[in-house]
Amino acid sequence: TQLLEQSPQFLSIQEGENLTVYCNSSSVFSSLQWYRQEPGEGPVLLVTVVTGGEVKKLKRLTFQFGDARKDSSLHITAAQPGDTGLYLCAGDNTGNQFYFGTGTSLTVIP
Amino acid sequence: SAVISQKPSRDICQRGTSLTIQCQVDSQVTMMFWYRQQPGQSLTLIATANQGSEATYESGFVIDKFPISRPNLTFSTLTVSNLSPEDSSIYLCSAGDSRYEQYFGPGTRLTVT
Repeated sequence: TQLLEQSPQFLSIQEGENLTVYCNSSSVFSSLQWYRQEPGEGPVLLVTVVTGGEVKKLKRLTFQFGDARKDSSLHITAAQPGDTGLYLCAGDNTGNQFYFGTGTSLTVIP
Repeated sequence: SAVISQKPSRDICQRGTSLTIQCQVDSQVTMMFWYRQQPGQSLTLIATANQGSEATYESGFVIDKFPISRPNLTFSTLTVSNLSPEDSSIYLCSAGDSRYEQYFGPGTRLTVT
Protein backbone atom coordinates (compact mmCIF):
# COMPACT_ATOMS: atom_id res chain seq x y z
CA THR A 1 0.00 0.00 0.00
CA GLN A 2 1.46 3.32 -1.11
CA LEU A 3 0.50 5.92 1.45
CA LEU A 4 1.78 8.94 -0.48
CA GLU A 5 0.46 9.20 -4.02
CA GLN A 6 1.94 11.84 -6.28
CA SER A 7 0.40 13.23 -9.45
CA PRO A 8 1.14 13.55 -12.19
CA GLN A 9 3.63 10.72 -12.49
CA PHE A 10 5.28 12.31 -15.54
CA LEU A 11 5.23 15.92 -16.69
CA SER A 12 6.89 17.47 -19.73
CA ILE A 13 6.53 21.22 -20.21
CA GLN A 14 8.10 24.09 -22.10
CA GLU A 15 10.46 26.52 -20.42
CA GLY A 16 8.55 29.42 -18.88
CA GLU A 17 5.37 27.47 -18.11
CA ASN A 18 3.94 26.99 -14.63
CA LEU A 19 3.19 23.62 -13.06
CA THR A 20 1.84 22.03 -9.91
CA VAL A 21 2.72 18.65 -8.43
CA TYR A 22 0.46 17.02 -5.86
CA CYS A 23 1.18 14.66 -2.97
CA ASN A 24 -1.90 13.03 -1.47
CA SER A 25 -2.64 10.61 1.32
CA SER A 26 -5.58 9.26 3.27
CA SER A 27 -3.44 9.45 6.42
CA VAL A 28 -2.55 12.46 8.53
CA PHE A 29 1.14 13.32 8.42
CA SER A 30 3.16 14.99 11.16
CA SER A 31 5.25 16.73 8.52
CA LEU A 32 6.05 16.47 4.85
CA GLN A 33 9.29 17.02 3.03
CA TRP A 34 9.92 17.67 -0.65
CA TYR A 35 13.06 16.44 -2.38
CA ARG A 36 14.43 16.83 -5.91
CA GLN A 37 16.63 14.17 -7.45
CA GLU A 38 18.68 14.60 -10.59
CA PRO A 39 19.86 11.61 -12.65
CA GLY A 40 22.81 9.83 -11.07
CA GLU A 41 22.48 11.72 -7.82
CA GLY A 42 20.76 11.24 -4.49
CA PRO A 43 17.67 13.28 -3.54
CA VAL A 44 18.24 16.78 -2.20
CA LEU A 45 15.93 18.21 0.47
CA LEU A 46 14.04 21.30 -0.71
CA VAL A 47 11.71 22.05 2.19
CA THR A 48 9.87 20.68 5.22
CA VAL A 49 6.29 21.73 6.04
CA VAL A 50 4.91 21.04 9.48
CA THR A 51 1.78 23.10 10.15
CA GLY A 52 -1.56 22.53 8.42
CA GLY A 53 -2.12 25.30 5.86
CA GLU A 54 1.55 26.29 5.89
CA VAL A 55 2.97 27.88 2.75
CA LYS A 56 6.69 28.12 2.09
CA LYS A 57 8.44 29.77 -0.84
CA LEU A 58 11.84 28.94 -2.23
CA LYS A 59 12.55 31.31 -5.13
CA ARG A 60 10.17 30.14 -7.89
CA LEU A 61 8.93 27.15 -5.88
CA THR A 62 5.91 27.39 -3.59
CA PHE A 63 5.08 24.56 -1.19
CA GLN A 64 1.79 24.17 0.62
CA PHE A 65 0.70 21.73 3.34
CA GLY A 66 -3.01 20.96 3.39
CA ASP A 67 -5.14 22.17 6.27
CA ALA A 68 -5.83 18.58 7.35
CA ARG A 69 -2.14 17.61 6.89
CA LYS A 70 -3.09 14.85 4.44
CA ASP A 71 -1.80 16.47 1.28
CA SER A 72 0.76 18.88 -0.09
CA SER A 73 1.50 20.65 -3.33
CA LEU A 74 4.54 22.05 -5.08
CA HIS A 75 4.03 24.87 -7.57
CA ILE A 76 6.82 26.00 -9.88
CA THR A 77 6.53 29.36 -11.62
CA ALA A 78 8.26 29.96 -14.95
CA ALA A 79 9.95 26.55 -15.08
CA GLN A 80 13.54 26.37 -16.26
CA PRO A 81 15.53 23.43 -17.67
CA GLY A 82 17.44 23.32 -14.38
CA ASP A 83 14.18 22.33 -12.67
CA THR A 84 14.24 18.99 -14.51
CA GLY A 85 14.34 16.04 -12.15
CA LEU A 86 12.40 13.61 -10.02
CA TYR A 87 10.35 15.32 -7.32
CA LEU A 88 9.56 13.28 -4.23
CA CYS A 89 7.44 14.05 -1.23
CA ALA A 90 8.13 12.20 2.02
CA GLY A 91 6.85 12.17 5.54
CA ASP A 92 5.80 10.23 8.58
CA ASN A 93 2.21 9.62 9.54
CA THR A 94 0.79 9.70 13.02
CA GLY A 95 1.65 5.99 13.28
CA ASN A 96 5.32 6.98 13.04
CA GLN A 97 5.71 5.25 9.67
CA PHE A 98 7.97 7.07 7.23
CA TYR A 99 7.37 6.95 3.47
CA PHE A 100 8.53 8.50 0.24
CA GLY A 101 5.89 9.35 -2.31
CA THR A 102 5.51 7.68 -5.69
CA GLY A 103 7.45 10.46 -7.42
CA THR A 104 6.89 12.94 -10.25
CA SER A 105 9.35 13.05 -13.12
CA LEU A 106 9.56 16.58 -14.54
CA THR A 107 11.18 17.50 -17.83
CA VAL A 108 11.47 21.16 -18.79
CA ILE A 109 12.16 21.61 -22.49
CA PRO A 110 14.27 24.63 -23.49
CA SER B 1 24.35 19.75 6.34
CA ALA B 2 26.40 16.61 5.71
CA VAL B 3 28.29 15.27 2.74
CA ILE B 4 27.75 11.58 2.02
CA SER B 5 29.98 9.41 -0.11
CA GLN B 6 29.32 5.87 -1.25
CA LYS B 7 31.56 3.17 -2.64
CA PRO B 8 31.37 1.60 -5.16
CA SER B 9 29.39 3.89 -7.45
CA ARG B 10 28.41 0.90 -9.56
CA ASP B 11 29.12 -2.78 -9.84
CA ILE B 12 28.17 -5.79 -11.90
CA CYS B 13 27.96 -8.98 -9.86
CA GLN B 14 27.21 -12.59 -10.60
CA ARG B 15 24.19 -14.41 -9.27
CA GLY B 16 24.83 -15.99 -5.85
CA THR B 17 27.62 -13.62 -4.80
CA SER B 18 27.41 -10.69 -2.39
CA LEU B 19 28.16 -6.98 -2.63
CA THR B 20 29.09 -4.71 0.25
CA ILE B 21 28.39 -1.00 -0.11
CA GLN B 22 30.16 1.55 2.06
CA CYS B 23 28.71 4.85 3.22
CA GLN B 24 30.89 7.56 4.74
CA VAL B 25 29.62 10.81 6.29
CA ASP B 26 31.84 13.86 6.73
CA SER B 27 30.47 14.55 10.22
CA GLN B 28 28.92 12.65 13.09
CA VAL B 29 25.21 12.04 12.60
CA THR B 30 22.52 10.48 14.71
CA MET B 31 20.74 8.47 12.04
CA MET B 32 21.77 6.59 8.92
CA PHE B 33 19.42 4.88 6.50
CA TRP B 34 19.61 2.53 3.55
CA TYR B 35 17.18 2.72 0.62
CA ARG B 36 16.56 0.89 -2.63
CA GLN B 37 15.38 2.65 -5.77
CA GLN B 38 14.56 1.54 -9.29
CA PRO B 39 15.67 4.19 -11.82
CA GLY B 40 13.10 6.98 -12.08
CA GLN B 41 10.98 5.55 -9.29
CA SER B 42 10.47 6.22 -5.62
CA LEU B 43 12.64 5.13 -2.71
CA THR B 44 11.94 2.15 -0.49
CA LEU B 45 13.45 2.19 2.99
CA ILE B 46 15.39 -1.00 3.71
CA ALA B 47 16.55 -0.30 7.25
CA THR B 48 17.80 2.19 9.78
CA ALA B 49 21.44 1.60 10.72
CA ASN B 50 21.89 1.91 14.47
CA GLN B 51 25.30 2.69 15.93
CA GLY B 52 26.50 -0.14 18.11
CA SER B 53 23.40 -2.30 17.75
CA GLU B 54 21.42 -4.29 15.21
CA ALA B 55 19.77 -2.40 12.38
CA THR B 56 16.00 -1.85 12.34
CA TYR B 57 14.55 -3.46 9.21
CA GLU B 58 11.37 -2.48 7.38
CA SER B 59 8.73 -4.99 6.47
CA GLY B 60 9.91 -7.23 3.66
CA PHE B 61 13.61 -6.85 4.41
CA VAL B 62 15.57 -9.29 6.58
CA ILE B 63 19.00 -9.26 8.16
CA ASP B 64 20.14 -12.45 6.44
CA LYS B 65 19.67 -10.87 3.02
CA PHE B 66 20.72 -7.30 3.91
CA PRO B 67 23.20 -7.36 6.81
CA ILE B 68 24.10 -3.86 7.95
CA SER B 69 26.91 -2.59 10.12
CA ARG B 70 27.40 0.77 11.75
CA PRO B 71 30.55 0.74 13.86
CA ASN B 72 30.57 4.49 14.54
CA LEU B 73 28.66 7.72 13.92
CA THR B 74 30.15 8.40 10.48
CA PHE B 75 30.25 5.03 8.71
CA SER B 76 27.92 2.21 7.69
CA THR B 77 27.92 -0.73 5.31
CA LEU B 78 25.10 -2.58 3.57
CA THR B 79 25.70 -6.05 2.18
CA VAL B 80 23.32 -7.50 -0.37
CA SER B 81 23.74 -11.26 -0.05
CA ASN B 82 23.05 -14.22 -2.33
CA LEU B 83 22.41 -11.93 -5.27
CA SER B 84 19.71 -12.57 -7.83
CA PRO B 85 18.72 -10.47 -10.86
CA GLU B 86 15.81 -9.08 -8.82
CA ASP B 87 18.38 -7.32 -6.60
CA SER B 88 19.48 -5.15 -9.53
CA SER B 89 18.71 -1.64 -8.35
CA ILE B 90 20.18 1.58 -7.02
CA TYR B 91 21.08 1.48 -3.33
CA LEU B 92 21.20 4.81 -1.50
CA CYS B 93 22.59 5.74 1.86
CA SER B 94 21.29 8.76 3.75
CA ALA B 95 22.20 10.41 7.02
CA GLY B 96 20.96 13.12 9.33
CA ASP B 97 19.95 13.97 12.84
CA SER B 98 16.34 13.05 12.11
CA ARG B 99 14.19 11.48 9.41
CA TYR B 100 12.93 14.96 8.54
CA GLU B 101 16.20 16.22 7.16
CA GLN B 102 18.14 13.52 5.35
CA TYR B 103 21.23 14.00 3.23
CA PHE B 104 21.76 11.40 0.55
CA GLY B 105 24.77 9.85 -1.06
CA PRO B 106 24.98 9.54 -4.85
CA GLY B 107 23.91 5.91 -4.80
CA THR B 108 25.37 2.58 -5.89
CA ARG B 109 24.02 1.06 -9.08
CA LEU B 110 24.03 -2.72 -8.84
CA THR B 111 23.50 -5.01 -11.80
CA VAL B 112 23.23 -8.75 -11.18
CA THR B 113 23.92 -11.08 -14.11
